[in-house]
Amino acid sequence: NAGVTQTPKFQVLKTGQSMTLQCAQDMNHNSMYWYRQDPGMGLRLIYYSASEGTTDKGEVPNGYNVSRLNKREFSLRLESAAPSQTSVYFCASSASGPNTEAFFGQGTRLTVV
Amino acid sequence: GENVEQHPSTLSVQEGDSAVIKCTYSDSASNYFPWYKQELGKRPQLIIDIRSNVGEKKDQRIAVTLNKTAKHFSLHITETQPEDSAVYFCAASKAAGNKLTFGGGTRVLVKP
Repeated sequence: NAGVTQTPKFQVLKTGQSMTLQCAQDMNHNSMYWYRQDPGMGLRLIYYSASEGTTDKGEVPNGYNVSRLNKREFSLRLESAAPSQTSVYFCASSASGPNTEAFFGQGTRLTVV
Repeated sequence: GENVEQHPSTLSVQEGDSAVIKCTYSDSASNYFPWYKQELGKRPQLIIDIRSNVGEKKDQRIAVTLNKTAKHFSLHITETQPEDSAVYFCAASKAAGNKLTFGGGTRVLVKP
């Protein structure tokens, strides 16, 4: 059981370049999330998807777009990368309903130069 | 929206001593409060959680307390061991959806 899988694990981009971070879960979870982690700031929600076909903005959505391709996959796209987007990105998923555990992927370390 | 404050940001304890981390939240509608542990270079993993209808929960050396009136909750680790060294995050969410709002994290160092 792989859980939540993210690709790539590491990426270096030049300012202005675009890229897509991929995330897939095999736990049949309805809800999926993208967080970014910066030193001293915890994990901040970028976007989330409560179910297939729906997406909503989180706390820090500017500069990002998402696609819930199907129940398993939730991708995060940076259209024009900026140095402020240098961070560690985590995808997570959880079952439907309130108060259920969120499972995290292994993270993507992104550096924008 | 919800705001979660976590203190302290760093905590150094001697092996065998207790460690306490405190969090406050702003939204009185929040009713689920998990704690995650993140080892260096790894993903966050749930270690314990508490729901608003419970005041305290224990799991071996770990306990969490919740005071809904004061809107704060705490993590207690007793008899700390070197493997407890990690960053700990508190979080809060509401019943509608499961968006977690995280605190800023506490780096715990257990000195042998």
